[in-house]
Amino acid sequence: KAGVTQTPRYLIKTRGQQVTLSCSPISGHRSVSWYQQTPGQGLQFLFEYFSETQRNKGNFPGRFSGRQFSNSRSEMNVSTLELGDSALYLCASSLGLAGDPNTGELFFGEGSRLTVL
Amino acid sequence: AQKITQTQPGMFVQEKEAVTLDCTYDTSDQSYGLFWYKQPSSGEMIFLIYQGSYDEQNATEGRYSLNFQKARKSANLVISASQLGDSAMYFCAMRELNTGGFKTIFGAGTRLFVKA
Repeated sequence: KAGVTQTPRYLIKTRGQQVTLSCSPISGHRSVSWYQQTPGQGLQFLFEYFSETQRNKGNFPGRFSGRQFSNSRSEMNVSTLELGDSALYLCASSLGLAGDPNTGELFFGEGSRLTVL
Repeated sequence: AQKITQTQPGMFVQEKEAVTLDCTYDTSDQSYGLFWYKQPSSGEMIFLIYQGSYDEQNATEGRYSLNFQKARKSANLVISASQLGDSAMYFCAMRELNTGGFKTIFGAGTRLFVKA
């Protein structure tokens, strides 16, 4: 069973640019969550999608956005990049079924490491 | 509001000994799940163990066990017979069922060093 695939793995951008990151979940998983990981802030929740609907959103500015497609693949976009956006962006998929926290086990991709210069 | 607290930034343990990593949580929800993840230096996040809020028995998975004390809102991870490969960051996480809106939040993590 293929795992969670994130692309690209590494990228370098300059301030003011925008970036799009992609995530393909495990087959059969309809929930995709995104996290930003930095040494100072740890793992911060960005948003979660389930069957193309955003179910929850973290406390990030509107420059951070995402979407999910009918095949459960997800993308996140960061516009007008700032130096502080440099981080490891992790995508995780799960069954994520309502009514059962046990289906919240997250399967993570290897992450996309973004460096903003 | 959801909150996960891991008070040990770093821990050392001798190989083959047991170690306990602390985790406390705060939630107003009655139904929630608690998870532990391991992140080696390579960066990938690995699921270790799960405990549901209604589970009366402590969860165990091989050398990992979760010491769940609901009244104290604590979910400590116990690793028995530590191995050098256990050196990594460990994150405690919680997913609320009702009020959390389908998000999982993570603690700050504990870095474990296993000494030979």
